[in-house]
Amino acid sequence: KNEVEQSPQNLTAQEGEFITINCSYSVGISALHWLQQHPGGGIVSLFMLSSGKKKHGRLIATINIQEKHSSLHITASHPRDSAVYICAVSGGGADGLTFGKGTHLIIQP
Amino acid sequence: SQTIHQWPATLVQPVGSPLSLECTVEGTSNPNLYWYRQAAGRGLQLLFYSVGIGQISSEVPQNLSASRPQDRQFILSSKKLLLSDSGFYLCAWSVGPRGTIYFGEGSWLTVV
Repeated sequence: KNEVEQSPQNLTAQEGEFITINCSYSVGISALHWLQQHPGGGIVSLFMLSSGKKKHGRLIATINIQEKHSSLHITASHPRDSAVYICAVSGGGADGLTFGKGTHLIIQP
Repeated sequence: SQTIHQWPATLVQPVGSPLSLECTVEGTSNPNLYWYRQAAGRGLQLLFYSVGIGQISSEVPQNLSASRPQDRQFILSSKKLLLSDSGFYLCAWSVGPRGTIYFGEGSWLTVV
């Protein structure tokens, strides 16, 4: 069973700062997902990646398959980025994802 | 376009009472369906998944059950709720095990 670790657990930063959230996993995967959960609980998928790097607006996700590690970066952070960011991995089987515990991000104006 | 609906959004139930949470998916066929739970201070935990009608796999033994009576309908049930069943329940779907996963709005369950 895959173990997914995220760091940091909590992060408070000032508006405009560059944010990095890290995720490591223990067993080879078919894909890694970055998810965003807002205070109401709803979850949206930000990225799904299996190699390299993806960019969407101010968000960048990278993955290093050999090191079993992924990072989510937020450039020019904004208070609306405040949310819980969750890393999840898929082994490719029908049983879905294994989740990290999430990183609670607060961006202060 | 594909959408997923989950209800009820909020539920307060006494210990020992039954539970039924419903999830429906629109705009796709034969999705993989999932029920997850997020307990306070913990990560999301897979409860059940289904790859087809009537096919349910359970990840965690507990007093909950799931059913898939129709292709795009997934129901989470309990005959008698426990205090430890309190949490945030999420339904999700994907096209096959390797597709992007889409989540419902979630249901907050408080057992009192």
